[in-house]
Amino acid sequence: GENVEQHPSTLSVQEGDSAVIKCTYSDSASNYFPWYKQELGKRPQLIIDIRSNVGEKKDQRIAVTLNKTAKHFSLHITETQPEDSAVYFCAASGGSYIPTFGRGTSLIVHP
Amino acid sequence: GAVVSQHPSWVICKSGTSVKIECRSLDFQATTMFWYRQFPKQSLMLMATSNEGSKATYEQGVEKDKFLINHASLTLSTLTVTSAHPEDSSFYICSAGESGDSNQPQHFGDGTRLSIL
Repeated sequence: GENVEQHPSTLSVQEGDSAVIKCTYSDSASNYFPWYKQELGKRPQLIIDIRSNVGEKKDQRIAVTLNKTAKHFSLHITETQPEDSAVYFCAASGGSYIPTFGRGTSLIVHP
Repeated sequence: GAVVSQHPSWVICKSGTSVKIECRSLDFQATTMFWYRQFPKQSLMLMATSNEGSKATYEQGVEKDKFLINHASLTLSTLTVTSAHPEDSSFYICSAGESGDSNQPQHFGDGTRLSIL
């Protein structure tokens, strides 16, 4: 089955800095890669996603890049703000109909 | 947008009690729903895949007689934790995709925090 590795597990940045979270996947048949943000005690919510026919996607301060050959994808957050502090999960699906999640990255943005 | 409603949000009960958690898709039909368990500061651990009109598919290590799943309609899946014990205390959360296809965003319920005394 699919295996998704996510790094780092914790990321601490100063407000205004950029943050990058990286994920790798094992199943070359996976073709959908969403990112979710989960604030403490709340539900995970989709913030951006990318499909395998696209290499990069951007939405304001958030961008995702995908390298199918290397089987890795990354989340980039620019000009971080304290409200960006949360746990971020990557996921991969397509080879299996069940989405596989990474272990999560706790992002802390210091004012 | 698509909404998944999960109830109850918080349950505190005595050991030995059975607890039912409901997950409803409010404005779309979900042939497949997923049930997860999440420990503090950890990832989402898939427990089972709930399939409308058929038996759920459980992940390895998850006791199907302990965690009963029923998906009797296209908008409702239930998870019953039978004879719950303190080690079952956790955050349980469900999700569903609008098309029943995992290659679509998953919409999550608010989660249920279960505390067994």
